[in-house]
Amino acid sequence: QKEVEQDPGPLSVPEGAIVSLNCTYSNSAFQYFMWYRQYSRKGPELLMYTYSSGNKEDGRFTAQVDKSSKYISLFIRDSQPSDSATYLCAMSGRNTNAGKSTFGDGTTLTVKP
Amino acid sequence: DAGVTQSPTHLIKTRGQQVTLRCSPKSGHDTVSWYQQALGQGPQFIFQYYEEEERQRGNFPDRFSGHQFPNYSSELNVNALLLGDSALYLCASSWDAAYGYTFGSGTRLTVV
Repeated sequence: QKEVEQDPGPLSVPEGAIVSLNCTYSNSAFQYFMWYRQYSRKGPELLMYTYSSGNKEDGRFTAQVDKSSKYISLFIRDSQPSDSATYLCAMSGRNTNAGKSTFGDGTTLTVKP
Repeated sequence: DAGVTQSPTHLIKTRGQQVTLRCSPKSGHDTVSWYQQALGQGPQFIFQYYEEEERQRGNFPDRFSGHQFPNYSSELNVNALLLGDSALYLCASSWDAAYGYTFGSGTRLTVV
């Protein structure tokens, strides 16, 4: 079983919809949680990071972490066609283990005009 | 401000050959990590370099080795290439890995 499981998708929504992307994890040592966006033929781009349970908001994006349930989510409000990409969750531990991020396999999102 | 730059962008090698991939980190970043991303999967951690030393390593065989130079740039070497080594190789840099990485666009390696 993988340490990080991500809802596989693909996901297709109309423009303006609210999108929910989700990951679960099994390793309780994970303390830092990140979301990346990856466009085709590009490297991942960091969208959000957080290290505590609760919500963190940045513009149209909200990252949610529930450490007790080992569950994280990314919400995208007012989705745009330019949000069409693969979204990757990633997690890492503390101190020396902070450098090793474990990624989910990604959810591909398509936002239709 | 240039981000992470990787070279080459594409590479085709024959099984059994050796390959060297190169990476220049984002300005101000001193830590470099390498990841392998197979098609349809998330990136897999290979190793991380800091102060010219390998600080952590993922579950990859010794055929994968690396180096970091005093200017923080880095190389990834893969010996005795296998068909299964075909993937996108990503370099990522950071000043504090706990706050996430800046990734390059990757080198797409095809082993035939």
